[in-house]
Amino acid sequence: DAKTTQPTSMDCAEGRAANLPCNHSTISGNEYVYWYRQIHSQGPQYIIHGLKNNETNEMASLIITEDRKSSTLILPHATLRDTAVYYCIVRRSGANSKLTFGKGITLSVRP
Amino acid sequence: DAGVIQSPRHEVTEMGQEVTLRCKPISGHDYLFWYRQTMMRGLELLIYFNNNVPIDDSGMPEDRFSAKMPNASFSTLKIQPSEPRDSAVYFCASSLAHGGNYGYTFGSGTRLTVV
Repeated sequence: DAKTTQPTSMDCAEGRAANLPCNHSTISGNEYVYWYRQIHSQGPQYIIHGLKNNETNEMASLIITEDRKSSTLILPHATLRDTAVYYCIVRRSGANSKLTFGKGITLSVRP
Repeated sequence: DAGVIQSPRHEVTEMGQEVTLRCKPISGHDYLFWYRQTMMRGLELLIYFNNNVPIDDSGMPEDRFSAKMPNASFSTLKIQPSEPRDSAVYFCASSLAHGGNYGYTFGSGTRLTVV
């Protein structure tokens, strides 16, 4: 699976949009981009995933560049409860692909 | 749906003792995964099952670790004998299917402390 690169940390103000970047320059055509988050003392939580097209659900939006070498997770109106470690993961579509977590980015939402 | 259920939430044991962690996956999910999380190594996949059969145990650190899935609704991760370096949070996750288009649902984890 392709590697991902994320900043170590970032912060944003409550109520504003949080834009979390991720680089995956070696991504292959059959690899998905996944985002999970882990709030302190909880298990990782699935947020969203995509292959080529931009995706949106009730939690977030995922913007994937046309060349698929980078993506951005957007939390449109961040709240204090969105403070967490966010993991960007690239994963193959095959049956034996694993979900491998890196270090992620720590998002701190300030009041 | 109650989600993935793990027990106990916390476990403190003495070095050398046997420890058993338990997991109940989401009903209907065919895949079950065991992860371990430490500050030093982050989240590591230990083993995963498909339809109760172990598929990949390459992440299991040593022979002291073993995992079983006797039926579709229950799995255990056993450490015997336990050592202080096994102290970590152990997560169980389940998935409807495998492959790139399916996400995992994680449990709340078991925090293991070996003294």
